[in-house]
Amino acid sequence: DAGVTQSPTHLIKTRGQQVTLRCSPISGHKSVSWYQQVLGQGPQFIFQYYEKEERGRGNFPDRFSARQFPNYSSELNVNALLLGDSALYLCASSFFTDTGELFFGEGSRLTVL
Amino acid sequence: GQQLNQSPQSMFIQEGEDVSMNCTSSSIFNTWLWYKQDPGEGPVLLIALYKAGELTSNGRLTAQFGITRKDSFLNISASIPSDVGIYFCAGQSSGGYQKVTFGTGTKLQVIP
Repeated sequence: DAGVTQSPTHLIKTRGQQVTLRCSPISGHKSVSWYQQVLGQGPQFIFQYYEKEERGRGNFPDRFSARQFPNYSSELNVNALLLGDSALYLCASSFFTDTGELFFGEGSRLTVL
Repeated sequence: GQQLNQSPQSMFIQEGEDVSMNCTSSSIFNTWLWYKQDPGEGPVLLIALYKAGELTSNGRLTAQFGITRKDSFLNISASIPSDVGIYFCAGQSSGGYQKVTFGTGTKLQVIP
């Protein structure tokens, strides 16, 4: 069975640009979460979506937005990129909506120049 | 954002030795979890703990949910080279959604 898949795996943007990251959850998982992992730190919670609705949002600015589609895949959008947005963006899916048992993808490595 | 405090930050051990790492929080969690992250990959769940005082094993790994609900530890027995990686503790509170708060990580290196 396929795990969580994310695209693109690597990308380079310049300050002020916008980026869209994509995630396909494990088949049967309806909950998708996004995390930001800055080099040398643990992942930080950005969003959780369940059944196309936002269930939770972390302490990130409004430049960060996300959505979930009817097939449970998800996109994370970041506008007006800053140098500090450079990080590994991880998508995680889960069968349950309120446990910490997450299945992560390999992430999208974003570099902002 | 909040991160849980893990210790040690990094450790070098000889193959075959036992390893212990800890995690503390200023907040109470209803679930404690331990994840491992290899280079270039996302974290993988190792153990989940659901009750204060619970002691759970998964092969050579043993973890405990602290009685105060503000701490947890992970032990690895008889380490092998593939144990190399970064270990993250994580806490999750109930409340209808799935925010998981991760620790700062313990980097483990095993010397063959």
